[in-house]
Amino acid sequence: DAKTTQPNSMESNEEEPVHLPCNHSTISGTDYIHWYRQLPSQGPEYVIHGLTSNVNNRMASLAIAEDRKSSTLILHRATLRDAAVYYCILRDDPNQFYFGTGTSLTVIP
Amino acid sequence: NAGVTQTPKFRVLKTGQSMTLLCAQDMNHEYMYWYRQDPGMGLRLIHYSVGEGTTAKGEVPDGYNVSRLKKQNFLLGLESAAPSQTSVYFCASRTGGLHTEAFFGQGTRLTVV
Repeated sequence: DAKTTQPNSMESNEEEPVHLPCNHSTISGTDYIHWYRQLPSQGPEYVIHGLTSNVNNRMASLAIAEDRKSSTLILHRATLRDAAVYYCILRDDPNQFYFGTGTSLTVIP
Repeated sequence: NAGVTQTPKFRVLKTGQSMTLLCAQDMNHEYMYWYRQDPGMGLRLIHYSVGEGTTAKGEVPDGYNVSRLKKQNFLLGLESAAPSQTSVYFCASRTGGLHTEAFFGQGTRLTVV
């Protein structure tokens, strides 16, 4: 799996949008971009994934740069429950699944 | 629907002791994974399985063995525990397909003294 770079930590005010960046300059044409998050003392949970086009689901939106060298996870309205570590993962191998260190998001009431 | 269940949730071992961690999933998933997570770090892949009777090494397989005798269970064994294996262990499973969602268990906190 290709390498991703994320900020170690970010802060957001409650009820405001949050943009979590991820750089993946060495991404290949077959790499999908996946996002997972890990709430305190829990296992990771799936958030969203995409290849080229922007994606939306009930949890978040994924904006992918035209050259695919970066992407942004967007939480439209942060809540206290969104405080977690967010992992950006590139995958082109169905057998393996590698996590980096992620971005720790703090939501301020 | 229980999802992914890990047993036990907590365990303290003495150096040199052995133990087995059990991961059970009730979603009929083909793929199963074992990870470890150390303080302030992301998850690192230990071993994985792409189906019943198959296993493969991940990033950090040394000191661990695994077995997948039944499709719903993935066992992680420590033959001779070392303090360096103190960690939180997570199991995950997912169905076949290139980019299906993975489901994780709640973790097992293991301390080796």
